[in-house]
Amino acid sequence: QSALTQPASVSGSPGQSITISCTGTSSDVGGYNYVSWYQQHPGKAPKLMIYDVSNRPSGVSNRFSGSKSGNTASLTISGLQAEDEADYYCSSYTSSSTDVVFGGGTKLTVL
Amino acid sequence: QVQLQESGPGLVKPSQTLSLTCTVSGGSISSGSYYWSWIRQPAGKGLEWIGRIYTSGSTNYNPSLKSRVTISVDTSKNQFSLKLSSVTAADTAVYYCARRGGGYCSGGSCYSRVWFDPWGQGTLVTVSS
Repeated sequence: QSALTQPASVSGSPGQSITISCTGTSSDVGGYNYVSWYQQHPGKAPKLMIYDVSNRPSGVSNRFSGSKSGNTASLTISGLQAEDEADYYCSSYTSSSTDVVFGGGTKLTVL
Repeated sequence: QVQLQESGPGLVKPSQTLSLTCTVSGGSISSGSYYWSWIRQPAGKGLEWIGRIYTSGSTNYNPSLKSRVTISVDTSKNQFSLKLSSVTAADTAVYYCARRGGGYCSGGSCYSRVWFDPWGQGTLVTVSS
């Protein structure tokens, strides 16, 4: 069982917006602004999409945005494209001895 | 730009030790403030943080694996390594190496860079007799 809770799947049509949630506790998501999001296509390594809750690395489309409220972080993808279909994982710093915890992942299907 | 590449046996027998190496190219493993990390992913499942080694050599491990894990660094070869002992089928996974930023201080406050970038391509390790 993952430390952070994500929905198993979400879907949307091209052009629409979707939001993926990531729920933790005050010891991780709620306590620190150190949430990151990763995109993983089948057979590929995860790719950093968002760091520090809402910052995008250079080269990542501005269609991807992140936010946080309380113990829940969210990743929003606007203007869905077929290439966005992938698994998405959230991660957070945690004050426990593991240092970093991941969510269980969310499969995004572009209809 | 920095790139990471995992290498090691793809098949390990139960009870033996899994050994993987991550080679860093495009930059020195000793420069900057970074944690060099190992993360694994069983087939069809999520990501699990295994542990990390700092540029200075200090280590931190996932408590669930701590008794079996050793991460080391060889700065002369620009590599860091993972050893996982007494493996079972539950250790079958794709193993990734990745770089995580260290802390920094600015304007009187200190921060951490808690994200992984870049990642290696991953290597599948199967535990089977």
